[in-house]
Amino acid sequence: DVKVTQSSRYLVKRTGEKVFLECVQDMDHENMFWYRQDPGLGLRLIYFSYDVKMKEKGDIPEGYSVSREKKERFSLILESASTNQTSMYLCASSLGWTGNNEQFFGPGTRLTVL
Amino acid sequence: KNEVEQSPQNLTAQEGEFITINCSYSVGISALHWLQQHPGGGIVSLFMLSSGKKKHGRLIATINIQEKHSSLHITASHPRDSAVYICAVRGRPSGGGADGLTFGKGTHLIIQP
Repeated sequence: DVKVTQSSRYLVKRTGEKVFLECVQDMDHENMFWYRQDPGLGLRLIYFSYDVKMKEKGDIPEGYSVSREKKERFSLILESASTNQTSMYLCASSLGWTGNNEQFFGPGTRLTVL
Repeated sequence: KNEVEQSPQNLTAQEGEFITINCSYSVGISALHWLQQHPGGGIVSLFMLSSGKKKHGRLIATINIQEKHSSLHITASHPRDSAVYICAVRGRPSGGGADGLTFGKGTHLIIQP
């Protein structure tokens, strides 16, 4: 079974802090994704990576950056956390292009920025 | 950008009822995904389809490419089917850009015993 793990289920940070969210997958998937999920808005893509050190902006990249130094690990970085980044963050991975590969999701990290 | 609309937003039904959740999208796609999210956040992929119909246990997913519409059916519904069901689409390849999905807002299903 594919397993996607995220470093924390719940996280509380203060405004202005630098925040790291870690995601690890164990099935040698090429593609990894970071989404945020907000009530009434659904899931939205923040960033996507299709290979080590490669990244593409999604629909809402502002205020975020990412790092993929190893194939199995994809990190989301909030350089200076703000209250409007309070959300559920979900990581996902897929073997290849999502036109013909399903995505596997991690359990999510609920981040609260005070 | 594709617009993905789901209906209904909320659905409460009695155990045993036949359930239908609908998904419409605005632009041609290469694949449509149905996902299930239980309380607590975890998302599981149920189906990925680009044409026709797929069945897994009591779940059936259909897609009509011409009408840009998909349905998810649950037969003999059970309280453990209570979850949020999310439709997501992947657009046709465009030679670049992010390979993520575009999601509907989800349908919150409650099956009462």
